[in-house]
Amino acid sequence: AQSVTQPDIHITVSEGASLELRCNYSYGATPYLFWYVQSPGQGLQLLLKYFSGDTLVQGIKGFEAEFKRSQSSFNLRKPSVHWSDAAEYFCAVGARGYSTLTFGKGTMLLVSP
Amino acid sequence: DTAVSQTPKYLVTQMGNDKSIKCEQNLGHDTMYWYKQDSKKFLKIMFSYNNKELIINETVPNRFSPKSPDKAHLNLHINSLELGDSAVYFCASSQRAGAYNEQFFGPGTRLTVL
Repeated sequence: AQSVTQPDIHITVSEGASLELRCNYSYGATPYLFWYVQSPGQGLQLLLKYFSGDTLVQGIKGFEAEFKRSQSSFNLRKPSVHWSDAAEYFCAVGARGYSTLTFGKGTMLLVSP
Repeated sequence: DTAVSQTPKYLVTQMGNDKSIKCEQNLGHDTMYWYKQDSKKFLKIMFSYNNKELIINETVPNRFSPKSPDKAHLNLHINSLELGDSAVYFCASSQRAGAYNEQFFGPGTRLTVL
């Protein structure tokens, strides 16, 4: 069975600084990988996804993520954080032939002025 | 023009009661899901329906019964509510079944059992 680890429960970043949120997965084959964002009181919104091909994927709101098979990682990055980016971020993994996603426990991003 | 909507947004009830949460999607998707998000924000799949057929049932107590009258609706009925049922319940939909399909989430229903 697949699993997802987000090692950081919360991260604080200054506005304008760069951001990297970590995600490690466990799965025997090439997984489907996703990053979702949840703003306070809202549902989850897809930021980006990776299925195959170019290992650097671009998403909405200026986010990108890089798939590194050797490290079983799919870290989310943004070069310059805005106060509106403060939210909970979830990494998720899916497997071929299955319908479900397995979510990590989330990383809360706090943005300081 | 909300894509995935849920009602109610908040639900406060006593232990032992029976309650329902409704979900509707206007995206024309074939597949719908119910997730439970606990107090630690951990999100776990409960059920999934594809074209009104149950395809995923993840060891959820029998007190939880999903119902899909048509592929645009997936309701969740909970009998004999317990304290541990307190959580945020999210409905989601995707164009088709399969993990590669983007899932669109509703705003959630916060259930509090007293």
